[in-house]
Amino acid sequence: GDSVTQMEGPVTLSEEAFLTINCTYTATGYPSLFWYVQYPGEGLQLLLKATKADDKGSNKGFEATYRKETTSFHLEKGSVQVSDSAVYFCAPPQLDSSYKLIFGSGTRLLVRP
Amino acid sequence: GAGVSQSPRYKVAKRGQDVALRCDPISGHVSLFWYQQALGQGPEFLTYFQNEAQLDKSGLPSDRFFAERPEGSVSTLKIQRTQQEDSAVYLCASSPKDWNHYEQYFGPGTRLTVT
Repeated sequence: GDSVTQMEGPVTLSEEAFLTINCTYTATGYPSLFWYVQYPGEGLQLLLKATKADDKGSNKGFEATYRKETTSFHLEKGSVQVSDSAVYFCAPPQLDSSYKLIFGSGTRLLVRP
Repeated sequence: GAGVSQSPRYKVAKRGQDVALRCDPISGHVSLFWYQQALGQGPEFLTYFQNEAQLDKSGLPSDRFFAERPEGSVSTLKIQRTQQEDSAVYLCASSPKDWNHYEQYFGPGTRLTVT
């Protein structure tokens, strides 16, 4: 079945450092791709989305581009803040009638002041 | 407007007890999903409703798990004869009918601890 692979965490960065979290997936033809974020003690929040190939999603300084040719959707941010410390999930929708989301184990980001 | 709400937020059950977890989706959202999230893991799909119809229950781990959405809005996930391996956070998500938008909106989850 479809699967997603994210880089292992935890990722520890200093404040204002550049962030990249890699995400690759196995299937092709996704209608959309998503990044979700889970802050400590909270539920999952949609961080950003891309709705077609070569589309770039962005929100709160985070960006990710739907790369069909490399089946990737890497998350980037130019300058992280302590408040960005959370677990990040790349989540494509499975290509069936439900479009249920496929989650990997997530990448924990810790930003130090 | 209001987001997805779930209740209770925390539930402690003794092994063998039955539990019922409630989800109130965003008003007007046709699709509703249940996921199970074990500690340190990503969520795993349990079941999916479109309105009141349960169209996919392939992720339910055993016949002790049962979900319903009788009027196409509120949903209940029921676990019978709970076991320790059922301890997890149960997440509910809803999604609009517009199939140009496949994103799901999650509730805060119910943390179930089976002792």
